[in-house]
Amino acid sequence: NAGVTQTPKFQVLKTGQSMTLQCAQDMNHNSMYWYRQDPGMGLRLIYYSASEGTTDKGEVPNGYNVSRLNKREFSLRLESAAPSQTSVYFCASSEANPYEQYFGPGTRLTVT
Amino acid sequence: RKEVEQDPGPFNVPEGATVAFNCTYSNSASQSFFWYRQDCRKEPKLLMSVYSSGNEDGRFTAQLNRASQYISLLIRDSKLSDSATYLCAGWASGGSYIPTFGRGTSLIVHP
Repeated sequence: NAGVTQTPKFQVLKTGQSMTLQCAQDMNHNSMYWYRQDPGMGLRLIYYSASEGTTDKGEVPNGYNVSRLNKREFSLRLESAAPSQTSVYFCASSEANPYEQYFGPGTRLTVT
Repeated sequence: RKEVEQDPGPFNVPEGATVAFNCTYSNSASQSFFWYRQDCRKEPKLLMSVYSSGNEDGRFTAQLNRASQYISLLIRDSKLSDSATYLCAGWASGGSYIPTFGRGTSLIVHP
């Protein structure tokens, strides 16, 4: 089992560009999450999907949109990237909500 | 102020030492707590769940104190390989359950 996979691993964007971060899990989990991690700030929840067909805002949703494409896939979109969105982005999934979460390897995004 | 607070450390201990971390939470409605381990430039990985009755897994023991609103992680006989950042996470009910992570505690185990 691959667990949780994320693409791309690294990305450099210019201010104003858009991009979509992809996440997929093969554990048949119901819930999926997007976090960003910045030095000294810890993991902060951007959006989550408690079950297929639902999405909700987390702690820091501004500037992001998400799509729960199906049970396996949960994407994060930056419509107009800003330098403040430079961060490491982690996707996670869990069997249910609340439950143990399993994380993908992360995407390192730099916005110049 | 984050809902889940941790001492960032670093905790610098010799091999073989016992070390304990605490994590306090402010939302009394929080249920379900977990400890994660994160190595440098890697993703967090689940270390253990925290139950009201306590949870032990080898050299690791996790405890939950609801009255004082904190969870703890005890590592006995520290190994060099235990060097990492340890994150605590709590879930609070807000319709769906929402996970909140602490900023992490850095542990350095030296020879």
